[in-house]
This record gives sequence, structure tokens and C-alpha cells, in this order.
Amino acid sequence: LAKTTQPISMDSYEGQEVNITCSHNNIATNDYITWYQQFPSQGPRFIIQGYKTKVTNEVASLFIPADRKSSTLSLPRVSLSDTAVYYCLVGASNSGYALNFGKGTSLLVTP
Amino acid sequence: ETGVTQTPRHLVMGMTNKKSLKCEQHLGHNAMYWYKQSAKKPLELMFVYSLEERVENNSVPSRFSPECPNSSHLFLHLHTLQPEDSALYLCASSQEGRGRTDTQYFGPGTRLTVL
Repeated sequence: LAKTTQPISMDSYEGQEVNITCSHNNIATNDYITWYQQFPSQGPRFIIQGYKTKVTNEVASLFIPADRKSSTLSLPRVSLSDTAVYYCLVGASNSGYALNFGKGTSLLVTP
Repeated sequence: ETGVTQTPRHLVMGMTNKKSLKCEQHLGHNAMYWYKQSAKKPLELMFVYSLEERVENNSVPSRFSPECPNSSHLFLHLHTLQPEDSALYLCASSQEGRGRTDTQYFGPGTRLTVL
């Protein structure tokens, strides 16, 4: 199970772009990188998943360098409602069911 | 979102009570999960069901008993719990249970307090 390291917390102002980087030095060839978002007292919500290079959807972008030892979740123009905990997960379809959420990154967006 | 629903949303019980948590998914998924999230701690996977068969049980005490009568419903039966079992219990479902690449959809959770 690839271990991930993320900053414990980040602060941002509304309207800024926020980049959260996750380190996963021992990522395996079959592993994908997935990010979830969790608001207080709610279940996590899938944001984005990728394997290499760049993935973009209506919510965020995910940048993965060639060596795949890290990844960066990019949230464009954050708002107050983006205040949440963001989790980086690494795993493969054949590596069991347990999602290792870790402690995540607590993002606080202020006016 | 109403894809995964959980009832009750809040539950207070004594240590000698027996109660059940219910989860229902309306997404046509084949896998369902129970997680526990204690204050200041990461989510802990408790049980996984794939096609109504339990495929993972992460050393959970026997005072927690899961039941999956069909692919849409999942229960967690609780009896003789301890105060340290107080937590947010989250249910999730996924399309095929294909491990860690299968997107999991979570319910709103049940906030359990054991007195």
C-alpha cells in the first residue's frame, strides 16, 4: 500500500488558485491517484482520478509528473465553500478494497 | 445528493442497548462499505461487501455485526458498545468493488454517541 504525504493544512483567500501536493514515492506501476473532498460531518466525495500527466474536470485539475512520485491537485478560484479536508489516495484495482484516507489536507478559505 | 442514504442521522445509545444502522444505495452498485471516523482520526474501513458477500473484515470487534441482504441495502447491527465506539459511521458504495480505483460514493453518515 503506497504511503502518501500531504500538508496537514493550508490557508487561502477567495478567488485564488490552490495547489495541494501529495508525495507518493513508492507508487506502484498499477496504482492510480485519486483525490476526495470531505466537509465536516459528511462523507468524502470523489473529486478526480488520474494515472499520468494531466486530468481536468469541472471541479479540479490533477497534475502528475513523469516519475509519478507526486501529484498536485489544483483548485481554480476557490470559494468559501471549498473549505474542506482533501485526501490523496493511491492504489490499484487489484490491491484490495481498503482506501487509505490518511489525515488529508485541511483547506481553509477566507474572504 | 441522494445516491446513498443512511438512517438514522444521529443516534444516542447506552452500552446495553441494541440498535441498527441502515444504508441504502440507489446507484445500482455491486459493492458496499462501512467506515468509522472518530474525532481527529482518519477513516477506518470496517467491512466490505461485494455482490452481497463479505469480502473484507478489518478486525472489527464482534459487537459490530454487518448484514447485506441485497446489493442495495447494508446494515450495521450494534450491541453492547463502548463509549470509545462513539464516532461518525459512514456507508459507501461502488460500481464493481474493483479495489482502490473504483470510485466510492458515500452517504451522509450516522453520528453515534454511546453513553
